[in-house]
Amino acid sequence: GQQVMQIPQYQHVQEGEDFTTYCNSSTTLSNIQWYKQRPGGHPVFLIQLVKSGEVKKQKRLTFQFGEAKKNSSLHITATQTTDVGTYFCAGEGGSEKLVFGKGTKLTVNP
Amino acid sequence: DTGVSQDPRHKITKRGQNVTFRCDPISEHNRLYWYRQTLGQGPEFLTYFQNEAQLEKSRLLSDRFSAERPKGSFSTLEIQRTEQGDSAMYLCASSWGQGGITAKNIQYFGAGTRLSVL
Repeated sequence: GQQVMQIPQYQHVQEGEDFTTYCNSSTTLSNIQWYKQRPGGHPVFLIQLVKSGEVKKQKRLTFQFGEAKKNSSLHITATQTTDVGTYFCAGEGGSEKLVFGKGTKLTVNP
Repeated sequence: DTGVSQDPRHKITKRGQNVTFRCDPISEHNRLYWYRQTLGQGPEFLTYFQNEAQLEKSRLLSDRFSAERPKGSFSTLEIQRTEQGDSAMYLCASSWGQGGITAKNIQYFGAGTRLSVL
């Protein structure tokens, strides 16, 4: 079945440093979604990418969808302590369900 | 706020007991999903409904698990004869989805029900 791999599993950064997490699917995706889960919280939708090669920005966050629609990345510029949490990618393939990666847990040292 | 609500937030039970969780989705959403999340893992798909029809169940879902969405609104997830391995956070999500339209199906999650089986 469809698998979604995400790396790294953990990332510790100093405040102000950049952060990137990568996501790879075993199959071509119809779309990919990114979620953020704060400690003790639930996943909160960030963005959806649908088109091959698509790039979207949200303030300091940049999301990319690969040309083959099998990989994606999230890049945060100049991290802040409010960026702390686990970032999940979730791919939608042939069926109308999301397959989540294991997430990248980001900690930010002030 | 009319987001996704789940009840109860926490459930502690003894092994072998049955438990039932409820999810109330966002009212205009036609799809409802159940996930299970354990520590350090992403949400794992269990099952989903479009309106009242259960369209897919994970092969990981044993016969002890059953879900219903009788009127296409709220849903219940029941676990019979609970085992310690069932301890997890059970998340519900809802979305508005239309088949063949990929730029949809953004899922909104509830706060979850944390199950502890002793």
